[in-house]
Amino acid sequence: AQKVTQAQTEISVVEKEDVTLDCVYETRDTTYYLFWYKQPPSGELVFLIRRNSFDEQNEISGRYSWNFQKSTSSFNFTITASQVVDSAVYFCALSEAFVGNAGNMLTFGGGTRLMVKP
Amino acid sequence: GAVVSQHPSWVICKSGTSVKIECRSLDFQATTMFWYRQFPKQSLMLMATSNEGSKATYEQGVEKDKFLINHASLTLSTLTVTSAHPEDSSFYICSAVGQGFFGYTFGSGTRLTVV
Repeated sequence: AQKVTQAQTEISVVEKEDVTLDCVYETRDTTYYLFWYKQPPSGELVFLIRRNSFDEQNEISGRYSWNFQKSTSSFNFTITASQVVDSAVYFCALSEAFVGNAGNMLTFGGGTRLMVKP
Repeated sequence: GAVVSQHPSWVICKSGTSVKIECRSLDFQATTMFWYRQFPKQSLMLMATSNEGSKATYEQGVEKDKFLINHASLTLSTLTVTSAHPEDSSFYICSAVGQGFFGYTFGSGTRLTVV
């Protein structure tokens, strides 16, 4: 069974601070995908990144960066120079490898509510 | 890019009535649809998975007679909450996957309030 744990339920920072959101996962598969989503107050899920289990390269996209470490089963997300608009709930999620056309379920972590104060 | 249109975005209904939520994949064929429920300040919990033309597979604890899922075509899946009660008030969101794997496309969600 797959599981995703986001130990931080709420984080509050002041604008321009850097913040790291932790994500630890469990899976028995060797092939899997990891995701991060942002959920603003309006509720829709905004896709941020997808990473497959064979690609451990860290990724940077503007102020966002992700650190994937298979050795510790972690996929952490860092926002540099946070802004008020970054305030949202962030979810880490995991899916195991697809078989044919039957998509595998996406398992979400509990989410981390980030509040960026001006 | 892949788009899933979900309607309605919000609905208020009386206790005992039924509500239908639609999810349409606009520019791809959705071979698999997932339906999630999210209570306030909680995570998304998978309710059921449906493959086009097949009966939905429900997660443990989800009443299949109460939450009817239909995935009759490759572009449309519906969730009907039958005999709704206040405890069914929640945020419902669908997610679709097409052939091959290019990720999960989410609808914008439906906020259901049962009064």
